[in-house]
Amino acid sequence: GNSVTQMEGPVTLSEEAFLTINCTYTATGYPSLFWYVQYPGEGLQLLLKATKADDKGSNKGFEATYRKETTSFHLEKGSVQVSDSAVYFCALSVLYNNNDMRFGAGTRLTVKP
Amino acid sequence: ETGVTQSPTHLIKTRGQQVTLRCSSQSGHNTVSWYQQALGQGPQFIFQYYREEENGRGNFPPRFSGLQFPNYSSELNVNALELDDSALYLCASSGGDLGAEAFFGQGTRLTVV
Repeated sequence: GNSVTQMEGPVTLSEEAFLTINCTYTATGYPSLFWYVQYPGEGLQLLLKATKADDKGSNKGFEATYRKETTSFHLEKGSVQVSDSAVYFCALSVLYNNNDMRFGAGTRLTVKP
Repeated sequence: ETGVTQSPTHLIKTRGQQVTLRCSSQSGHNTVSWYQQALGQGPQFIFQYYREEENGRGNFPPRFSGLQFPNYSSELNVNALELDDSALYLCASSGGDLGAEAFFGQGTRLTVV
């Protein structure tokens, strides 16, 4: 079946450190891939997405490249800020209309000043 | 353009009771998906409604049911509540294109005692 496995947290970094959160997927067909972020007490916000192999999604300094050969979509940021502290979810969808979006378990990131 | 709004924000119910959660989709969106997010887990797909018809369902029992109205707002109904139904219930709306962003509401925190 379709599933997402992401790096378990929690992850604690100092401000300006480099961030990588690993995400690998299993899917039938050609999935679209997403990273969502959830701040405390809030719903999920789309951070970035990629809809085909070799696409790079980017937003707010975060990047992720859709790697079909390694079935991965790792999230990276060169210099994290305290305000990046949140839970990050990798997700995929393979059907029209984003039906049945599958999420990873989430990775909690804490950035310390 | 209004965002996705859910009501109520918090709810406490007794085991065996029934509950109705509501979601107003973002303006112009005809698709609403519901997710259950248990504490420390990623969201799990419950079902999706597209133009008032159920358009896919996850691995949830029939006591989870839903509706979508002509204005594309939606309800999630859960009968015979169980303790394990305690979770954050998230609603997401999208415009229907493959790879289109799903916009999430802030969720309803349901506690079953």
